[in-house]
Amino acid sequence: GAVVSQHPSWVICKSGTSVKIECRSLDFQATTMFWYRQFPKQSLMLMATSNEGSKATYEQGVEKDKFLINHASLTLSTLTVTSAHPEDSSFYICSARPSTSGFSYEQYFGPGTRLTVT
Amino acid sequence: AQSVTQLGSHVSVSEGALVLLRCNYSSSVPPYLFWYVQYPNQGLQLLLKYTSAATLVKGINGFEAEFKKSETSFHLTKPSAHMSDAAEYFCAVSRNNDMRFGAGTRLTVKP
Repeated sequence: GAVVSQHPSWVICKSGTSVKIECRSLDFQATTMFWYRQFPKQSLMLMATSNEGSKATYEQGVEKDKFLINHASLTLSTLTVTSAHPEDSSFYICSARPSTSGFSYEQYFGPGTRLTVT
Repeated sequence: AQSVTQLGSHVSVSEGALVLLRCNYSSSVPPYLFWYVQYPNQGLQLLLKYTSAATLVKGINGFEAEFKKSETSFHLTKPSAHMSDAAEYFCAVSRNNDMRFGAGTRLTVKP
């Protein structure tokens, strides 16, 4: 149980275009989902917290107009990188917290999406 | 604010030797602490977690960690390293919704 998927697992796009990454909780509902980015040989940095049916909360320094997050259902959150540039190339990882979980710490991570902007 | 510091960005051990990966935390309230492993181009796999129950936590793949409040530490150990343990390891702390990760420690296992 508690499986989180991401699609695509790997994407290449041209500079200036937009790309959408999906994060799905496959066997549970998730009121809250999180988006992280990871540069090569670095740690995960929280980008934003996404709550179903409401606006995402972005971490300081993350451009909300560039990284659009939509959490339209209890099993799906999407991250759209708008007008992508080479510096946006990174590994993006999502996680999801089960709606039924009484523990604030519980999160399940997706396998990640590698974005390369050329 | 809560945070974790991983001492040593790279640890190298011989196969069969003890693995010790260090993590110190900073938290104004009792923390929840985690160790994750990441293989190249993959997501995170939970090794173990401390959630204020037993201070010695046993995880998967023979790993364990001990929560020491007096030292604000949560070091990860494994008695005997295996080649398959070579990966990146992250310590993380969570409280009040979000999770913060350490910088990571790359473990190399020599034959």
